[in-house]
Amino acid sequence: KQEVTQIPAALSVPEGENLVLNCSFTDSAIYNLQWFRQDPGKGLTSLLLIQSSQREQTSGRLNASLDKSSGRSTLYIAASQPGDSATYLCAVRLLRGSTLGRLYFGRGTQLTVWP
Amino acid sequence: DGGITQSPKYLFRKEGQNVTLSCEQNLNHDAMYWYRQDPGQGLRLIYYSQIVNDFQKGDIAEGYSVSREKKESFPLTVTSAQKNPTAFYLCASSIGGLAGNTGELFFGEGSRLTVL
Repeated sequence: KQEVTQIPAALSVPEGENLVLNCSFTDSAIYNLQWFRQDPGKGLTSLLLIQSSQREQTSGRLNASLDKSSGRSTLYIAASQPGDSATYLCAVRLLRGSTLGRLYFGRGTQLTVWP
Repeated sequence: DGGITQSPKYLFRKEGQNVTLSCEQNLNHDAMYWYRQDPGQGLRLIYYSQIVNDFQKGDIAEGYSVSREKKESFPLTVTSAQKNPTAFYLCASSIGGLAGNTGELFFGEGSRLTVL
């Protein structure tokens, strides 16, 4: 069974800092890895998706990397802002033969960026 | 706008009652999922469906039931057999199959169920 771990569980930083959120997984036979953002009481919003053949993806101030062999992904947030405050979750989707497998989620990193 | 619509957003239920949460998508996705989220527990998979008229149990299916009669709709019924139903419920969907598929998952805004 795939285990997904996110470190740290919570992070509180002043505005302007560059941040690194970590995600590790135990089964390297993944199809993709997806990073989400969740605001309190809301659904999950997709931030970045990295296919298993890719090493990184970028969107604005966000950059996600993937090292399949070591079972790790990092989400880098540049020049953090108070509006970045949210919970960030990573999820890995497995490949099962000729079909897509299910996703496994980490428990998330709760980020607070203060002015 | 394409997306996933969950209703109701908030629902209160008395013990012993069944309730049904609605999930509708207009993304033309084959696969749909129901997750439960509790504080400190992360997302747990309840049921998923990869095609119309077919669905599979996830990790915590006991006390829940689903149907998939239409591609766009995947309602979840929380039955009286579910011992601790108070939670935040999230519906998601993705394209099915592998050909040209990124496998990206999209979520609705969630439904919060409270048992009184």
